Amino acid sequence: DAGVIQSPRHEVTEMGQEVTLRCKPISGHNSLFWYRQTMMRGLELLIYFNNNVPIDDSGMPEDRFSAKMPNASFSTLKIQPSEPRDSAVYFCASSYYRDRGSDTQYFGPGTRLTVL
Amino acid sequence: DQQVKQNSPSLSVQEGRISILNCDYTNSMFDYFLWYKKYPAEGPTFLISISSIKDKNEDGRFTVFLNKSAKHLSLHIVPSQPGDSAVYFCAASLYSSASKIIFGSGTRLSIRP
Repeated sequence: DAGVIQSPRHEVTEMGQEVTLRCKPISGHNSLFWYRQTMMRGLELLIYFNNNVPIDDSGMPEDRFSAKMPNASFSTLKIQPSEPRDSAVYFCASSYYRDRGSDTQYFGPGTRLTVL
Repeated sequence: DQQVKQNSPSLSVQEGRISILNCDYTNSMFDYFLWYKKYPAEGPTFLISISSIKDKNEDGRFTVFLNKSAKHLSLHIVPSQPGDSAVYFCAASLYSSASKIIFGSGTRLSIRP
């Protein structure tokens, strides 16, 4: 049974370039989360979706970051333009959302982004 | 302002002994707490959770204790095994909006032979 799939696993780019990270949640899950892990700030929630609708994007650092979920099986996190301080590991997670909150979140393996 | 704090960045424990990882939180509205475990180059995996209506939850070698008055929780691993070497994240949420989980900064646990 496939877990959360993220691509690419590693991305090296130059400052100013556009970066797109991809995520395929676990089939049947209807909540999707994007996290960023850095040494300074630890693991922080950037944005999450319930039933493909963005619910809370208060963690998105600035307008250079955007996330979409066009359908239940795919989401993207885009950074345009990228900056060296965006270098981090980006995790996608999914869970099953019910009226009384979400079930356990399952994380993907992460994308390690390096912006030179 | 960190709402979930893990003040020990690392911990070393001898194999077979008890590992105790600690976590403090500041938001008294949190009512659901979780521990995640993370190996290098992998995403965090759920380990154990506890609701604020309980003060203890046990799952095999893992037990989580919650002290609401002190806003403190701890994870006990007994006995510690080499495979337990990983980074452990404490996390908290408002169960009414359990989608949003706030993570601590993590504690790296090393089990030495």
